[in-house]
Amino acid sequence: DAGVIQSPRHEVTEMGQEVTLRCKPISGHNSLFWYRQTMMRGLELLIYFNNNVPIDDSGMPEDRFSAKMPNASFSTLKIQPSEPRDSAVYFCASSPDTSVAPQHFGDGTRLSIL
Amino acid sequence: AQKVTQAQTEISVVEKEDVTLDCVYETRDTTYYLFWYKQPPSGELVFLIRRNSFDEQNEISGRYSWNFQKSTSSFNFTITASQVVDSAVYFCALSVHTGANSKLTFGKGITLSVRP
Repeated sequence: DAGVIQSPRHEVTEMGQEVTLRCKPISGHNSLFWYRQTMMRGLELLIYFNNNVPIDDSGMPEDRFSAKMPNASFSTLKIQPSEPRDSAVYFCASSPDTSVAPQHFGDGTRLSIL
Repeated sequence: AQKVTQAQTEISVVEKEDVTLDCVYETRDTTYYLFWYKQPPSGELVFLIRRNSFDEQNEISGRYSWNFQKSTSSFNFTITASQVVDSAVYFCALSVHTGANSKLTFGKGITLSVRP
């Protein structure tokens, strides 16, 4: 079975550029999560969707970050304009529509903003 | 608010030693779920185990075992006869049952190094 698929795996870009990270959740999973991992702050939840609807975006650091889920099989996390402090590993995870289920993570996107 | 504390930041052991990774959690909810994830050097996050707050039975899976004690709000993870392939960062996480909201709160992680 295919797991959570994220693209790209690595992204290097200059500050000020727009960055778009993509995620395809596991088929049948109704919840999708975007996390950011840094050495200083560990794993942080940025935003969470349930049935394609954003439920909690309190973790989104600022207006430069936006996320969409146009359908059950695709989500994007966009940073515009990007800054060096946005450099991190961004994970997407999905789970069935219940808190009892574990979240399954993608392999992450390693983002470097120069 | 929920909180997960992994007081140990780095542990180094020699292969075949047993090692215990500690996890202490805080929540006011009576229904909650505890998780352990492994992040090997390749970077992916691998789900290891889930326990619910009503099941305090210890669990064993091969060389891995978990000790859940509500009295001390702890969910510790023991690796028996550690191997080099166990070298990874291990995260403990907590989620509470609040309807559709199933946010995971992660600890800071414990870096385990197993030396040959």
